Amino acid sequence: EIVMTQSPGTLSVSPGERATLSCRASQSVSRNLAWYQQKPGQAPRLLIYGASTRATGIPARFSGSGSGTEFTLTISSLQSEDFAVYYCQQYNNWPPWTFGQGTKVEIK
Amino acid sequence: QVQMVESGGGLVEPGGSLRLSCAASGFTFSDYYMSWIRQAPGKGLEWVSSVSDSSKYTNYADSVKGRFTISRDNAKNSLYLQMTSLRAEDTAVYYCAKSPTATAPFDFWGQGTLVTVSS
Repeated sequence: EIVMTQSPGTLSVSPGERATLSCRASQSVSRNLAWYQQKPGQAPRLLIYGASTRATGIPARFSGSGSGTEFTLTISSLQSEDFAVYYCQQYNNWPPWTFGQGTKVEIK
Repeated sequence: QVQMVESGGGLVEPGGSLRLSCAASGFTFSDYYMSWIRQAPGKGLEWVSSVSDSSKYTNYADSVKGRFTISRDNAKNSLYLQMTSLRAEDTAVYYCAKSPTATAPFDFWGQGTLVTVSS
C-alpha cells in the first residue's frame, strides 16, 4: 500500500498571501496524483489531476507540481473561499487508492 | 449537470446491516468506474470500494473485505453498497464518486450519507 503524507497539518495564511502545501508518497506514483479541496459540510472537489492539470472550472491561482514521490500544491494568492482542507491522493498503484491525511488552510 | 445523490444512511446497531444507494444523472453512468469513499467524523478520506464500468472488477479495502459488497445497475444509473456486520469504526459519511478509469482521479463526488453504528 502506498502511504501518502501531507505537510504541514495546518497552514495559517493571510488573505492575498501564497500557500504551499506538500505531499509525499512512500513510493513513486509517477504523475498519477490528484489534489482535492473540502470545505466544512461539503463533499471533496477535484482541483488538480496528473500532478499539474487543473480540473474544469478551477481558477488559475491553483497550481500543482512534482512527480515520483514529491508533490506541491500552490495557491498563489489566497481568497476567502480558499480556506479549507486539502487532500492529495494517488491513483497509480491500486488497490487501495490512498489519500493523505489532509492539510487545513486557515486564516491567519 | 452531473448529480450523484446518496441515500440509505442512518443509525444501526453493531452487527447490523445497511444498504447504501447512489443515484447518478447528467453523465453516461455505464462509462465510469464508481467508488465509495468514507470519512469518519473529524477525520480524513478513506477509500472503501470500487466497481468497474461493466461490473467485471470489484475491489475492497482490507477494513471492509468480506463484510461489504459493491454493485451497480447501469440500467438504473445506480450504485450500491451492501454493508453487513457493521462495527462502530464504520461510522462515517459515505460518498459515492466517479472516475473515467481505475487509473484516474475521482472527478465528481456526491454529497454523502451518514452511517452511524451505535447501540
